[in-house]
Amino acid sequence: DAKTTQPPSMDCAEGRAANLPCNHSTISGNEYVYWYRQIHSQGPQYIIHGLKNNETNEMASLIITEDRKSSTLILPHATLRDTAVYYCIVRVAGGNAGNMLTFGGGTRLMVKP
Amino acid sequence: GAVVSQHPSWVICKSGTSVKIECRSLDFQATTMFWYRQFPKQSLMLMATSNEGSKATYEQGVEKDKFLINHASLTLSTLTVTSAHPEDSSFYICSAPTVTGELFFGEGSRLTVL
Repeated sequence: DAKTTQPPSMDCAEGRAANLPCNHSTISGNEYVYWYRQIHSQGPQYIIHGLKNNETNEMASLIITEDRKSSTLILPHATLRDTAVYYCIVRVAGGNAGNMLTFGGGTRLMVKP
Repeated sequence: GAVVSQHPSWVICKSGTSVKIECRSLDFQATTMFWYRQFPKQSLMLMATSNEGSKATYEQGVEKDKFLINHASLTLSTLTVTSAHPEDSSFYICSAPTVTGELFFGEGSRLTVL
């Protein structure tokens, strides 16, 4: 799995958009970008994933650059409950082989009132 | 999304005893499950891959005789920490992939060894 680089921490005001960047310059053509988050003392929670097109779901939006070397997770209206560590991971999707995830340090997002 | 459940969510045991943690995929079958360990303020570290009907594969540096993994059915994998010591105190997390390749995680099990 390709390595990712994320800032160790970020702050965001409640109600504002949180934009979390991720660099994955060595991503290969069949690797997807996945985002998970981990709230304190819980297991990671899936947020969103994409290959090359921008994606949006009820939780967040994912913007992937055209060269796919970086991406941004956007939480449009951050709440206090969004305070967590956010992990950006790239991996091959589908099947059992290659489903192993390598977690980097992630970004610790602190949403402040 | 799919649900993966772990039990117990926390356990305290005496040094030298063994502790079993269960990981269940509640609404899907998983021939493979993954076990992670997470120390305070650190990221998740993959320990081993649990394979239904065959032996687990362990990551480098993880003692297979210390961390026994059994994947007895398509919905259950167990991790047994044998002869636990205080340094084994950690947050243990499992995950399971669906047939479409999405990976879902359990709630985690916090082990404290006294």
